[in-house]
Amino acid sequence: TQLLEQSPQFLSIQEGENLTVYCNSSSVFSSLQWYRQEPGEGPVLLVTVVTGGEVKKLKRLTFQFGDARKDSSLHITAAQPGDTGLYLCAARTSGTYKYIFGTGTRLKVLA
Amino acid sequence: NAGVTQTPKFQVLKTGQSMTLQCAQDMNHEYMSWYRQDPGMGLRLIHYSVGAGITDQGEVPNGYNVSRSTTEDFPLRLLSAAPSQTSVYFCASSVRADTDTQYFGPGTRLTVL
Repeated sequence: TQLLEQSPQFLSIQEGENLTVYCNSSSVFSSLQWYRQEPGEGPVLLVTVVTGGEVKKLKRLTFQFGDARKDSSLHITAAQPGDTGLYLCAARTSGTYKYIFGTGTRLKVLA
Repeated sequence: NAGVTQTPKFQVLKTGQSMTLQCAQDMNHEYMSWYRQDPGMGLRLIHYSVGAGITDQGEVPNGYNVSRSTTEDFPLRLLSAAPSQTSVYFCASSVRADTDTQYFGPGTRLTVL
C-alpha cells in the first residue's frame, strides 16, 4: 500500500514566521500535488511538481520535489493569517488513475 | 462555468437507509472521482471514472456504488447506510485521468444515525 505521510500534523505560528511542511513516501511518483483546504470547502490545487529536484514558487510559497520523486516540501516565508488552512499533498499511484492523499498539515497563523 | 457542484450540502440518514449523492461538472472533464474525508485521515478515494461508461474502485469502495452514464454526472449511491459512513464526501474532476489537476466540489456532510 502506497502512503503519503505529512509532518507536522498541526502547526501554530505567529505572523511573519517561516515554516516548512513535509510530504514523504517510500514510493516513487510521476508527479505530486499540493492543495489547500479551508473549512467547509473542497481542496484547491496550489501546485503540481513533476521533475525530480524541481522547485516552484507561488508568491511566498516554495514547493520542492525530491530528487528521487518520493518526497516533497512546502515552505512558507513570512506567514500571514490568510495562509491558515489544511495543506494536503497528493499523488497518483504508479500505473493507475488512483490518487492518494496525505493526512494533511493543519496550519494556524496568529496575527 | 459552475465548476463541480454537489447536492445536497448536508444530509442525515438512519442506519439502513439508502441515498444518492449528486455530482455534476460543466467543464467537459473526462475524469471524475469521489472521496471521503474523515478527521485525521485525509481524503480517501472511493470510486473513480476515466470517462462515460467506465468506473473503477478506489481505496474504500465497500458500501458504495457509482455509475457514469454521461460525461457531466457521477452520482454516488449508498446502498444501506451505516454509522461508519458518516463523513464529508467530495467529488472532483479533471480534464483527463493523467492531468493530475483535480477540481473539487464543496462537499456533502453526511451523518448516519
